[in-house]
Amino acid sequence: DAGVIQSPRHEVTEMGQEVTLRCKPISGHNSLFWYRQTMMRGLELLIYFNNNVPIDDSGMPEDRFSAKMPNASFSTLKIQPSEPRDSAVYFCASSPGLDEQYFGPGTRLTVT
Amino acid sequence: DAKTTQPTSMDCAEGRAANLPCNHSTISGNEYVYWYRQIHSQGPQYIIHGLKNNETNEMASLIITEDRKSSTLILPHATLRDTAVYYCIVRVAHQAGTALIFGKGTTLSVSS
Repeated sequence: DAGVIQSPRHEVTEMGQEVTLRCKPISGHNSLFWYRQTMMRGLELLIYFNNNVPIDDSGMPEDRFSAKMPNASFSTLKIQPSEPRDSAVYFCASSPGLDEQYFGPGTRLTVT
Repeated sequence: DAKTTQPTSMDCAEGRAANLPCNHSTISGNEYVYWYRQIHSQGPQYIIHGLKNNETNEMASLIITEDRKSSTLILPHATLRDTAVYYCIVRVAHQAGTALIFGKGTTLSVSS
């Protein structure tokens, strides 16, 4: 199994632009999580889905952030418009719904 | 979820055992202790988890005190590749896709 796949691995964009991060979870996993990591705030949960349904989005910073999971094998995290303070590493993780979460390699986002 | 307290950093000589402590004095009866680690520039990686009995797998051993208020992760023969941030997390297991709440963790530095 290829593990959790995230794309792009690096993204550099200008303030105000739309950014879309993508995640392909491990096949058969029914839970998907989006985390954000910065030096100041560490690892923070943004949102998670069970069986493609958003369960808890209380960690989404503001309305500029949105996430979708149209099917069991794909999810997106969109930021529109992006701001410099959104610069961070964004991780996607999936879980078979029991104990372990498997993290992807992350997307490093830089907003200038 | 209960909060945890971990030392900020620890050092260990290569080949020696690394013992990483974690305090979770407010843990509830149905909460498990999980350990993850994050090697630089990678996503977090699951290590081990337990409820009240000691656990061992190919990566590490987990020792939980009888009152469950603290635990120790043991890497029996640390290598340079074990240099990472180690996170101790407590949460209820077996709930459909519950999220992980990461603290600041312990930065373990293994040197030759």
